[in-house]
Amino acid sequence: ETGVTQTPRHLVMGMTNKKSLKCEQHLGHNAMYWYKQSAKKPLELMFVYNFKEQTENNSVPSRFSPECPNSSHLFLHLHTLQPEDSALYLCASSQDYRGGYNEQFFGPGTRLTVL
Amino acid sequence: QKEVEQNSGPLSVPEGAIASLNCTYSDRGSQSFFWYRQYSGKSPELIMSIYSNGDKEDGRFTAQLNKASQYVSLLIRDSQPSDSATYLCAPGGSARQLTFGSGTQLTVLP
Repeated sequence: ETGVTQTPRHLVMGMTNKKSLKCEQHLGHNAMYWYKQSAKKPLELMFVYNFKEQTENNSVPSRFSPECPNSSHLFLHLHTLQPEDSALYLCASSQDYRGGYNEQFFGPGTRLTVL
Repeated sequence: QKEVEQNSGPLSVPEGAIASLNCTYSDRGSQSFFWYRQYSGKSPELIMSIYSNGDKEDGRFTAQLNKASQYVSLLIRDSQPSDSATYLCAPGGSARQLTFGSGTQLTVLP
């Protein structure tokens, strides 16, 4: 595997379900990010982890719960979602957060549909 | 004022022409600037990074940065139909967190 991988690529869930999104980066980076991309809206930063520590939580509802067990893996746990949470969820990584060269590299995304 | 503003699209250019994509940003502390390309249904792909005022060329792509004017642009020379995508501008703000613009949709007509 190379770059940033995400699983599953597509997910359909009911509002009462619990599911998790997984992200893995193979770039040796130290920072990982979750973004939400809804139709016709800019990318919205959700969470940032730098060296496994959460450094940003952009007022994300508690029904989204991130987990970062190590610098290579990032999870997004989902529960009691709403239909408006349907979107493309993107994981990204960079060398570090707030460093001088912080190009972010994205995974392919998980297309989430909440029924 | 939006933090990052890009040309309202969609933008259409004929094959072989120069496509010009513009972006202005509000955070004067921004030090790094990135252009991403996003094909429909796909994730953003980094295509250019620029850190200093002036031009940076990479193949058919040229990024131009003017920090005094808080302006960054991307020129695509000899546009190809495969360049048809949405282009996202992303300045790294004073806190170095990337802020993405809404994107400009480019269509290159054969």
